[in-house]
Amino acid sequence: AQSVTQLGSHVSVSEGALVLLRCNYSSSVPPYLFWYVQYPNQGLQLLLKYTTGATLVKGINGFEAEFKKSETSFHLTKPSAHMSDAAEYFCALGGRNQGGKLIFGQGTELSVKP
Amino acid sequence: DAMVIQNPRYQVTQFGKPVTLSCSQTLNHNVMYWYQQKSSQAPKLLFHYYDKDFNNEADTPDNFQSRRPNTSFCFLDIRSPGLGDAAMYLCATSRDRGGTYNEQFFGPGTRLTVL
Repeated sequence: AQSVTQLGSHVSVSEGALVLLRCNYSSSVPPYLFWYVQYPNQGLQLLLKYTTGATLVKGINGFEAEFKKSETSFHLTKPSAHMSDAAEYFCALGGRNQGGKLIFGQGTELSVKP
Repeated sequence: DAMVIQNPRYQVTQFGKPVTLSCSQTLNHNVMYWYQQKSSQAPKLLFHYYDKDFNNEADTPDNFQSRRPNTSFCFLDIRSPGLGDAAMYLCATSRDRGGTYNEQFFGPGTRLTVL
């Protein structure tokens, strides 16, 4: 069965510190993986995606993620947190056998301390 | 800019009073989705349209209906809102359902309050 697990519902970092949000997936077929960010009372905005090809994916706002098939992971990182990064982050799994549907992780709320 | 638009952004209705939420898109995408998102939860897919083909999720209550009169517009109708239907409703689109095209583009959402 397809599933997504985000480790840690809340992550808190200091401004300027490394951001690491963890995402593991389970998929019986090669996955398409997405990270979305959601600010309060807003919709979801795509940060980055992995479909095929290069396993290190760069996205907007300085975020990047690495697809590791052996670890079934797609962790999101940013070298230096900014106050404006405080938001909810969702990892999502899509694929050829899902008819366009996305399977979301439960979300990780990122707090950034001054 | 091509985008997904939702109106209104905030909607207040009374218990049991029908309400309609609107979504429009300028992306000319084939697929439109409706999600319900409750506080501190992931979005939950209610249904989607692939062109004119309606696809309901098995656990979507009958109280929720949808219409897609043309490519650009899609509506979510809640026939008799209950207190448990208070949530953020998100509309999303994707170019297609398969291959690399199931990246979804989201609107800003409509926050529904039920009194």
